[in-house]
Amino acid sequence: GAGVSQSPRYKVAKRGQDVALRCDPISGHVSLFWYQQALGQGPEFLTYFQNEAQLDKSGLPSDRFFAERPEGSVSTLKIQRTQQEDSAVYLCASSLGQDVSYEQYFGPGTRLTVT
Amino acid sequence: AQSVTQLGSHVSVSEGALVLLRCNYSSSVPPYLFWYVQYPNQGLQLLLKYTSAATLVKGINGFEAEFKKSETSFHLTKPSAHMRDAAEYFCAVRSYNNNDMRFGAGTRLTVKP
Repeated sequence: GAGVSQSPRYKVAKRGQDVALRCDPISGHVSLFWYQQALGQGPEFLTYFQNEAQLDKSGLPSDRFFAERPEGSVSTLKIQRTQQEDSAVYLCASSLGQDVSYEQYFGPGTRLTVT
Repeated sequence: AQSVTQLGSHVSVSEGALVLLRCNYSSSVPPYLFWYVQYPNQGLQLLLKYTSAATLVKGINGFEAEFKKSETSFHLTKPSAHMRDAAEYFCAVRSYNNNDMRFGAGTRLTVKP
């Protein structure tokens, strides 16, 4: 079966441009998470959705970051006016539910480079 | 607040040797602990998890980890390394009432022939 997919896999943006990163979770997975992984670091939590509701956005680093999941399936992470410090791999994960007992399945990530 | 510390950003072992990757955690509530593996250009894959049941947890690919509350540790071991085990390994902690899973900085495992 299909896992979590993300597109594009690689994105180069000039400083100041807006970017949109897409995540297709596993079908039927209620919960969806976004993480940011800087070079040489572990992933850091950005935001969490349960169906279409964004229940936790405490990890978003600034108001330039915006995420949505309007129909409770595909999610988009948007970064406005990109800065060099936004360069990282953005990982999406989905799970059957919010409870910690449910495994999070990760996508391959989108590598964003801001020049 | 929760956090994990992975001791050693790089570990190198010979094929067939013991693998030991260290992880210490800090948590104000009973933790749930995880080990993930990341191969190049791939997403993270769950190796094993501790969720307050047995303290010795067995995972995929022959890996296991032991939760030691007195030492606040959750070290990952494998008796005999294979070349295919070469990857980046991440320890993570999460509490039952928190969506925020905290990852360590990762340990890159190299396996020499």
